[in-house]
Amino acid sequence: GAVVSQHPSWVICKSGTSVKIECRSLDFQATTMFWYRQFPKQSLMLMATSNEGSKATYEQGVEKDKFLINHASLTLSTLTVTSAHPEDSSFYICSASDRNTGELFFGEGSRLTVL
Amino acid sequence: GENVEQHPSTLSVQEGDSAVIKCTYSDSASNYFPWYKQELGKRPQLIIDIRSNVGEKKDQRIAVTLNKTAKHFSLHITETQPEDSAVYFCAASMISFLGNQFYFGTGTSLTVIP
Repeated sequence: GAVVSQHPSWVICKSGTSVKIECRSLDFQATTMFWYRQFPKQSLMLMATSNEGSKATYEQGVEKDKFLINHASLTLSTLTVTSAHPEDSSFYICSASDRNTGELFFGEGSRLTVL
Repeated sequence: GENVEQHPSTLSVQEGDSAVIKCTYSDSASNYFPWYKQELGKRPQLIIDIRSNVGEKKDQRIAVTLNKTAKHFSLHITETQPEDSAVYFCAASMISFLGNQFYFGTGTSLTVIP
């Protein structure tokens, strides 16, 4: 299947700092990318939908100023967690939808730990 | 919007038995239904999918059925093996040239007992 690369796979940072996570579709173009947060043993919680060249659409309850999403090209979307706090510690996963087939593929996930 | 329900939330089967996971959806416009397998600490992997113009699809030990009238689709795993143990998610999507949104079920934790 198609490949979505997410980086970094894990990051530890101090409270108050910002962390950027990248999501790349390596062998297909993605008009739509999605960002999720997943708590242990729970389902995927959609945070925002990102369309190339336009502003992201955030789900209810997700602070857009805290979770900055940029989708500058058909193969790259970034999530920046600004002024991170311990409660932001989580597993963040991106996914990308192939513009030709509609199939959805997931990145490896990024485990964020805020001290 | 679309609402996807998935059952059961947990499922234990003996090795070699079959496992069935069911999902229902609410939006008749949904036309694409993928299934994902997620092992602990790893990304969800697409294992099989079905589009609305097809009623059944099979790939070795895995099959998916779709009933558009009743708005439900199911994942069938035959001859289960311990390595099938994972969390499985269903999803419903409407794919269009405008883009597509995916709605996920809450997941089924499958345990295959050796």
